[in-house]
Amino acid sequence: QSALTQPASVSGSPGQSITISCTGTSSDVGGYDYVSWYQQHPGKAPKVMIYDVSNRPSGVSIRFSGSKSGNTASLTISGLQAEDEADYYCSSYTTSTTWVFGGGTKLTVL
Amino acid sequence: QVQMQESGPGLVKPSETLSLTCSVSGGSVSSGVYYWSWIRQPPGKGLEWIGYIYDDGITKYNPSLKSRVTMSVDTSKNQFSLNLRSVTTADTAVYYCASVGLGEHDFDYWGQGNLVTVSS
Repeated sequence: QSALTQPASVSGSPGQSITISCTGTSSDVGGYDYVSWYQQHPGKAPKVMIYDVSNRPSGVSIRFSGSKSGNTASLTISGLQAEDEADYYCSSYTTSTTWVFGGGTKLTVL
Repeated sequence: QVQMQESGPGLVKPSETLSLTCSVSGGSVSSGVYYWSWIRQPPGKGLEWIGYIYDDGITKYNPSLKSRVTMSVDTSKNQFSLNLRSVTTADTAVYYCASVGLGEHDFDYWGQGNLVTVSS
C-alpha cells in the first residue's frame, strides 16, 4: 500500500483559512468514509482532530473541518491561530482492512 | 479514558529483534472494545501503520512488514507487545501504541512514544 499524498507544507497568517489535501485511491480514501486527520506538535504524540471524513471529537475546535470528494480528502482550518502550527497527517482505512497514512504537512502560521 | 505507555530498549543492534510492550490502563486489553495498534515514525518523517491485534489474538499487519512482525497480548498484565525481527537502520523510529474503538476507524488514544535506534 502506498502512502497518501499530502503537500509538504502550507502556511497562512493568523485569522486566515488554510486547506490541506490528502489524495489516495479508490482502495482507501475513495473506498470508504473513514478518513481521519491528526495534529502533531514537536515531540508529542498525534492527536485526532477529524474522524470519518468530517466528524470532530469532543473538545476539538469548530475551526477544524473535513470533507471528501472522490479520492481526495481535505482538512480546513479557519481563523488560524499560532497554536495551530504543527504537522498534520491524514489516514484512511483501506479495502484490505489495513490503515495508511499520508506523508504529513507542516503548517506554518506566519 | 484509556491511557497507554510504551516500554522497551532504546537501542537494538542490526539483525536482532526489536521488542516493545504497551501497558494499558483505564481499559482492558481483553474487553473486545478496542483494536490495539502499533504505529511508527522515523525521525523527521511521517507515520507508518505497523498493525493491530484484537483481544482474542486476531492480527492484521502492514503488508510491507508482515514477514518480520509479530504482535501478542498478555491479559494478565493488561499489555500488548510488538516484535520486529531482523531490524536494520531503516527501522529506527519512534514507536507508538494506539487504539481503535470497535466499529471505529480512527486512532483515538496514543502512547507517548518510544524512540528505538538501530545501531551497532
